[in-house]
Amino acid sequence: KAGVTQTPRYLIKTRGQQVTLSCSPISGHRSVSWYQQTPGQGLQFLFEYFSETQRNKGNFPGRFSGRQFSNSRSEMNVSTLELGDSALYLCASSWTGSDQPQHFGDGTRLSIL
Amino acid sequence: AQSVTQLGSHVSVSEGALVLLRCNYSSSVPPYLFWYVQYPNQGLQLLLKYTTGATLVKGINGFEAEFKKSETSFHLTKPSAHMSDAAEYFCAVHTNDYKLSFGAGTTVTVRA
Repeated sequence: KAGVTQTPRYLIKTRGQQVTLSCSPISGHRSVSWYQQTPGQGLQFLFEYFSETQRNKGNFPGRFSGRQFSNSRSEMNVSTLELGDSALYLCASSWTGSDQPQHFGDGTRLSIL
Repeated sequence: AQSVTQLGSHVSVSEGALVLLRCNYSSSVPPYLFWYVQYPNQGLQLLLKYTTGATLVKGINGFEAEFKKSETSFHLTKPSAHMSDAAEYFCAVHTNDYKLSFGAGTTVTVRA
């Protein structure tokens, strides 16, 4: 069965722009989580969605937002990009939440110039 | 709040030698614990998990980990390292708030 698919794999933007990243979970998985990975801060939780509802949000500014659609696909949006937003953004899915093994996509590498 | 500490950001082992990666957690409630591995330019892959029950957990690729509540530890071991074990390893804890908290990661290099 297909794994978690994240698109695009690589993205280059400039400061001030906005970006939308997409995540398609494994079929049947209803929980989708997003993480930011940087060399300095490591893996940090952004948010988690289940059945179109955000159940938790990490300590990120309001420029970071997300949503989940009825088919469980999820998007995250970052507005007014800053240099510090350069990171690998990872999406993970599971049946019902993070108490279960998370299946990660290969991530979107976002570079801000 | 829960947190995870991984001791040692880099570990170097010889091929065939024991791999030992240390993880300590803090949690006010019984945790679920996980070890993930990340290869270059890839996402994270689950190695093993502890939820309840047997404290010695076996995972994929010959890895295992032991949950020790008294020491708040969940160390990862593999008896004999292989070149393909070179990667970054993350310990993670889940409690009741729909997120994983990760350690800073340990990079393993394997010497021929």
